[in-house]
Amino acid sequence: GAVVSQHPSRVICKSGTSVKIECRSLDFQATTMFWYRQFPKQSLMLMATSNEGSKATYEQGVEKDKFLINHASLTLSTLTVTSAHPEDSSFYICSASADRHYGYTFGSGTRLTVV
Amino acid sequence: GENVEQHPSTLSVQEGDSAVIKCTYSDSASNYFPWYKQELGKGPQLIIDIRSNVGEKKDQRIAVTLNKTAKHFSLHITETQPEDSAVYFCAARGGGTASKLTFGTGTRLQVTL
Repeated sequence: GAVVSQHPSRVICKSGTSVKIECRSLDFQATTMFWYRQFPKQSLMLMATSNEGSKATYEQGVEKDKFLINHASLTLSTLTVTSAHPEDSSFYICSASADRHYGYTFGSGTRLTVV
Repeated sequence: GENVEQHPSTLSVQEGDSAVIKCTYSDSASNYFPWYKQELGKGPQLIIDIRSNVGEKKDQRIAVTLNKTAKHFSLHITETQPEDSAVYFCAARGGGTASKLTFGTGTRLQVTL
């Protein structure tokens, strides 16, 4: 079945630094990738949608200059949290889809802690 | 945009009993309705999905029903087992060219011995 690999699974960084999270589709070409944020005991909130080779579409209220998304190939998307602050601490999850008639495969998530 | 409501927020059942989780959606053009199971510290795992041209789908102990007229869909788990304990999310994909999923608020299912 479709597999999405997300790394790192956990990361701790100092306030003011940047962190990059990778999301790879291992056995299919992901034309669209999605990035979600999940706070404890809450639902998944979509941050942005990215199509390969295009600029990401950010949801309302998500700062595009703070959360940089790159989808340079059909198998890799990255989320960079720039100038991280403690309030950015959260569980970040990526999802990939081959096309809109296909299903969605989720990564295992990244626990980001900003100290 | 799409709005998905999910009930109940918590559900406790005894092992062997059935569990039902219900969701409603707002966009009548929504055409795809997946259900995910999420264990602590992990990403969501698809357990079953249904498309808008189907009213019911079953996979062993898990079934999903869809009522397009009422705009609601439900997850049914029979013969529950302790390993079914997790958080379950419903989601809906809107119509048109949009491909994003909108998630419900989640149901924490606890299966007790």
